[in-house]
Amino acid sequence: DVKVTQSSRYLVKRTGEKVFLECVQDMDHENMFWYRQDPGLGLRLIYFSYDVKMKEKGDIPEGYSVSREKKERFSLILESASTNQTSMYLCASSRSSYEQYFGPGTRLTVT
Amino acid sequence: EDQVTQSPEALRLQEGESSSLNCSYTVSGLRGLFWYRQDPGKGPEFLFTLYSAGEEKEKERLKATLTKKESFLHITAPKPEDSATYLCAVHANSGYALNFGKGTSLLVTP
Repeated sequence: DVKVTQSSRYLVKRTGEKVFLECVQDMDHENMFWYRQDPGLGLRLIYFSYDVKMKEKGDIPEGYSVSREKKERFSLILESASTNQTSMYLCASSRSSYEQYFGPGTRLTVT
Repeated sequence: EDQVTQSPEALRLQEGESSSLNCSYTVSGLRGLFWYRQDPGKGPEFLFTLYSAGEEKEKERLKATLTKKESFLHITAPKPEDSATYLCAVHANSGYALNFGKGTSLLVTP
């Protein structure tokens, strides 16, 4: 069974804090993705990575950065959290043209 | 521009009442179309991949079909445990990422 894990299910942070969200997959997948999901807006791609140390911007990269130092781990960083970054964050992984497998999500609240 | 549209936005069915969810797409070359199920507060769970027009996949009460412009997720004799949001996504020739529709929220009542 493919397993994608995320470091926290729920997180509460203050405005201006630096926030790290971590994602680990155990299937040796090349590709990893970070999405955010908001009511009425659906899933929106923030960043993705197709190889170690490689990254590409998605549709809404502003205010976020990512790091992929090892194949199995992909981190999302909010440099200075803002209230409009309150959302559900979802990590996914996949092989090249195949289906993506998602983690359980992190519900982030920025106050 | 690639586009994925799901309809209806919400659907309420009686237990046993079969129906279909629609996913219409406009992409520059389809590499794959994916269906996911998402329960409240959880990550999407992969259901099916379809690669070419005419292809069909089945799992329990669910059957997914694909044409050149749309995909259907048929739900036969649904049960309350089928209640969830169903997401459709396409993978176009133009990149690595999936383009998701906004989903259909399905409620099956006893």
